[in-house]
Amino acid sequence: GENVEQHPSTLSVQEGDSAVIKCTYSDSASNYFPWYKQELGKRPQLIIDIRSNVGEKKDQRIAVTLNKTAKHFSLHITETQPEDSAVYFCAARFTGGGNKLTFGTGTQLKVEL
Amino acid sequence: DSGVTQTPKHLITATGQRVTLRCSPRSGDLSVYWYQQSLDQGLQFLIQYYNGEERAKGNILERFSAQQFPDLHSELNLSSLELGDSALYFCASSVDPEQGGNQPQHFGDGTRLSIL
Repeated sequence: GENVEQHPSTLSVQEGDSAVIKCTYSDSASNYFPWYKQELGKRPQLIIDIRSNVGEKKDQRIAVTLNKTAKHFSLHITETQPEDSAVYFCAARFTGGGNKLTFGTGTQLKVEL
Repeated sequence: DSGVTQTPKHLITATGQRVTLRCSPRSGDLSVYWYQQSLDQGLQFLIQYYNGEERAKGNILERFSAQQFPDLHSELNLSSLELGDSALYFCASSVDPEQGGNQPQHFGDGTRLSIL
C-alpha cells in the first residue's frame, strides 16, 4: 500500500548545528516528494520539493536528497536557527490517479540556544 | 499568505450536527484537496477535485462529502458529527496535477472543528 515512514519523531539540536530528517516510501513509482514545515496552530508550508528525475536540490540552508533505488529521501537543514523549530512533514505522491499526497508522521524539531 | 482561503477559522458544534467548511483556491489553481489533521492521525488525505470533478479519494468517511463549484471554490460537508471528528481540516490547491509534472500544493490556514 501507500506508506511513508518518517524518522525521527523528535529531534533536538543546538543552534548552528545541522539537522537531518529521513523518510522512506513504499511505491517505487512515486515521483514527487515535498517537505512541509508546520508551526504550532498554523498551516503546513511548503519549504522544498524534489522530483524523481533529480538526486538533490538545495535552497539556501535547506537541501533534500533522493535515493530512488533505496526509496528514501532526506531533509537537511544547516546552520539551524531557533526559528527553524517546528514540525516537519515529508510527503510522497503515489501513482494511481490524482495528485494526492501521503504524509509521514512528522518530526518535531527543536533548536536550542 | 498562501492565497488559499478557508472559512470559518473555528467551528464549535455538538455531536450529531452537520457543518460545511468552505475553501477558495489560489487564483489560477484548478485542483482542490481536503486533508484532516488530528493529533493521533497526522495529515490524512480526504478527497481531491479538479475543475469540478472528483479526481481522487482517500479515507473519507461516508458521513463526509465534498464538491467543487463552477467558480472552483469547494465545500466539505461533515454530517452526523462524532467526537472523533474534532480536528483541523485543511484545504490545499494546485494548478493542474496532470500538466507537465507534479504541481506543488499550497495549504490554507485550516478550519478548527471542535465537537462537544
